[in-house]
Amino acid sequence: DTGVSQNPRHKITKRGQNVTFRCDPISEHNRLYWYRQTLGQGPEFLTYFQNEAQLEKSRLLSDRFSAERPKGSFSTLEIQRTEQGDSAMYLCASSSGQGYMGRGYTFGSGTRLTVV
Amino acid sequence: AQSVTQLDSHVSVSEGTPVLLRCNYSSSYSPSLFWYVQHPNKGLQLLLKYTSAATLVKGINGFEAEFKKSETSFHLTKPSAHMSDAAEYFCVVTSFSGGYNKLIFGAGTRLAVHP
Repeated sequence: DTGVSQNPRHKITKRGQNVTFRCDPISEHNRLYWYRQTLGQGPEFLTYFQNEAQLEKSRLLSDRFSAERPKGSFSTLEIQRTEQGDSAMYLCASSSGQGYMGRGYTFGSGTRLTVV
Repeated sequence: AQSVTQLDSHVSVSEGTPVLLRCNYSSSYSPSLFWYVQHPNKGLQLLLKYTSAATLVKGINGFEAEFKKSETSFHLTKPSAHMSDAAEYFCVVTSFSGGYNKLIFGAGTRLAVHP
């Protein structure tokens, strides 16, 4: 198992374009999270999946953002009509659901989005 | 609501000297607290965690942290800094609701280590 994989590592896009990021969690983890990290700040929670169900969405996730996790495996995060304020590092994490805090989060290396 | 405040945005130390990264927390219940480290172009790595067992928690790479309820603090220390410790460090508290844990991050402390 190679951990949590995120693709692409970097994405540069023009304002107004749509972008999609992919996250492949650790295979036995049923919980998947997306976080966003802007320059000089700590990561902020965006959304949470348990298996294929999206159970919570942060108010940070505007209508232009959509996340899916078909079949409870990989997840995608799509941003429509990108704005310069969307420039950030998008982090994915996964965890198992066993016990309090499960076995902890494992984070991917992130996708860095730059909107020009 | 749960939150953490990292008291220093930047800390600079000389190699071989002690490291102290300060964190205060706010929680409406007994918290779980963590320190994560982020090296450039790498993912977040868990250094250590406190989950209501021993108040002095030992982590990887010689780091440790002490939970002080009376001071609502969870400061990270290391006796002797190494060049490889240069990175961004995040203090984290959990928010538990709906049967799962959400991580609440501080703004981070950038640690520089000089020869």
